[in-house]
Amino acid sequence: GAVVSQHPSRVICKSGTSVKIECRSLDFQATTMFWYRQFPKQSLMLMATSNEGSKATYEQGVEKDKFLINHASLTLSTLTVTSAHPEDSSFYICSTRDNSGNTIYFGEGSWLTVV
Amino acid sequence: DAKTTQPTSMDCAEGRAANLPCNHSTISGNEYVYWYRQIHSQGPQYIIHGLKNNETNEMASLIITEDRKSSTLILPHATLRDTAVYYCIVSGGSNYKLTFGKGTLLTVNP
Repeated sequence: GAVVSQHPSRVICKSGTSVKIECRSLDFQATTMFWYRQFPKQSLMLMATSNEGSKATYEQGVEKDKFLINHASLTLSTLTVTSAHPEDSSFYICSTRDNSGNTIYFGEGSWLTVV
Repeated sequence: DAKTTQPTSMDCAEGRAANLPCNHSTISGNEYVYWYRQIHSQGPQYIIHGLKNNETNEMASLIITEDRKSSTLILPHATLRDTAVYYCIVSGGSNYKLTFGKGTLLTVNP
């Protein structure tokens, strides 16, 4: 069964509004979670690393004020896309390591469409 | 940048073994080789990983060369549901980020 759960799986929002995506680890505590974005027919691109109790680390070119990450507990990280625009429409995926630290599992992904 | 090189696409007949190659010539001593696959519109699915020994689980086998510069993922009896993009990734040590390349589109044909 799934060990990482994302919600919502699909969301449509109006341009200029904000959308929150949740990522939960179901079977273990996750001190670190990773957020990826995937555009159609492209590979996954790492956006940021979410660390429980501290600030997220963003990859080069990713606007931290636009993609707000909160990792307030060991089982939940959230990604908020603020002031969304149509170009933010994408497949957003989270992942986390299991307790051994050697295996990374991914959520089911969240499709965001900004209209 | 991805540290691996994979063929863009491969075909396999249903019921036959699918052997997916991956080159990772710059792999460092503490880095693992991971394999994931992604079926359209879904999150990546973990398949298997290894450090230097060959590994086998219920999904696949992973063969890593002695110099660790390449590996092969083997799906012993491919089914139509194994059609997906397969990603070979190296990661480990203090950096557990997974950097995805373009992967291999495996098409299993009836």
